[in-house]
Amino acid sequence: IAGITQAPTSQILAAGRRMTLRCTQDMRHNAMYWYRQDLGLGLRLIHYSNTAGTTGKGEVPDGYSVSRANTDDFPLTLASAVPSQTSVYFCASSQLKNTEAFFGQGTRLTVV
Amino acid sequence: AQSVSQHNHHVILSEAASLELGCNYSYGGTVNLFWYVQYPGQHLQLLLKYFSGDPLVKGIKGFEAEFIKSKFSFNLRKPSVQWSDTAEYFCAVNTNAGKSTFGDGTTLTVKP
Repeated sequence: IAGITQAPTSQILAAGRRMTLRCTQDMRHNAMYWYRQDLGLGLRLIHYSNTAGTTGKGEVPDGYSVSRANTDDFPLTLASAVPSQTSVYFCASSQLKNTEAFFGQGTRLTVV
Repeated sequence: AQSVSQHNHHVILSEAASLELGCNYSYGGTVNLFWYVQYPGQHLQLLLKYFSGDPLVKGIKGFEAEFIKSKFSFNLRKPSVQWSDTAEYFCAVNTNAGKSTFGDGTTLTVKP
């Protein structure tokens, strides 16, 4: 089934540890995104990529990095996790940079 | 920078009541507008979208939205809600620059 796959689905992580959230899409979409969803704050864009080989900063990029080596994969790395990064992370993709987004199932991350 | 404002954080309705969720955005240029729905425990899914043309757009499950350019608004409506419409609803704006902005979300609870 075509779509977006995120891994892991949930994780408990010790503060200070490095963590990579994986995201893969099989729809050959050009653009990909990472959001975090926090209660009362909606979805906030962390990083985005309009096409393979390019990335950009979103609204809340600090503490996160991304890479887009190919069309399908868009991993999100927390270099040194902090408790404020406890959140639900959603990866999304869209055919073009301004068309509708398709979302993954999310990764629930708890930093303790 | 663009912003999106959703007027109601939590709406409680009885089944068969009519629904209108407000959404206003701030951006001076051309935008694409979206409403997404997130059912409990699930990822976001597209309800409807507006790119151009008829400002009244119809989406899935009987939802519709009207784009009023002069008011920078894109309100979501449904004539008669069902218990299964209980979810969180997000308005989103995309610009040609590719950055998407989501509102904080409105939680709809429909009482049977």
